[in-house]
Amino acid sequence: SQTIHQWPATLVQPVGSPLSLECTVEGTSNPNLYWYRQAAGRGLQLLFYSVGIGQISSEVPQNLSASRPQDRQFILSSKKLLLSDSGFYLCASGLAHEQFFGPGTRLTVL
Amino acid sequence: DQQVKQNSPSLSVQEGRISILNCDYTNSMFDYFLWYKKYPAEGPTFLISISSIKDKNEDGRFTVFLNKSAKHLSLHIVPSQPGDSAVYFCAASADNNNDMRFGAGTRLTVKP
Repeated sequence: SQTIHQWPATLVQPVGSPLSLECTVEGTSNPNLYWYRQAAGRGLQLLFYSVGIGQISSEVPQNLSASRPQDRQFILSSKKLLLSDSGFYLCASGLAHEQFFGPGTRLTVL
Repeated sequence: DQQVKQNSPSLSVQEGRISILNCDYTNSMFDYFLWYKKYPAEGPTFLISISSIKDKNEDGRFTVFLNKSAKHLSLHIVPSQPGDSAVYFCAASADNNNDMRFGAGTRLTVKP
């Protein structure tokens, strides 16, 4: 079975600072990888997905970006955080018909 | 656009009773539907799924019903237990897509 690792678990960052969240996957090869955000009182919003190394699809225009430097590594970044970037960020792996989620990162932008 | 909708943000039921969580979708291309359960500060975990070729799938206390003509699905939990208290997300995908669309979630509270 797959295991999704995310770190850090929690993060508090000032407005305007950079961001790097990392996700790694074990137990599978060449997975589809996804970044979701769950904002307070809202559902899961798909931010990015990747079907392979260097291949990124963006669902929502924003000041975030994603990269996939290795098969089982997916990174979410920002050059300058906004207050609205606060939320719970989830990495997922799998196919469209079933995804496995990591434990998430709680990001608070102050 | 919200292709998957869960119109009830919260639901409260008594232990032992039935919990019914509803989900509607707009994209007729969706052919696979899932329910995920999420506890606070954790990632969602897969609960149960149903393919569009079926109208019912049952797994223990959990049953998912699919009404394709109405573009509606529901999750039934019976009997409900306090440990079922969590946020439940409905999700849908199409065979030719690489992504899955989630609803906004319904927070279920089962009272002892």
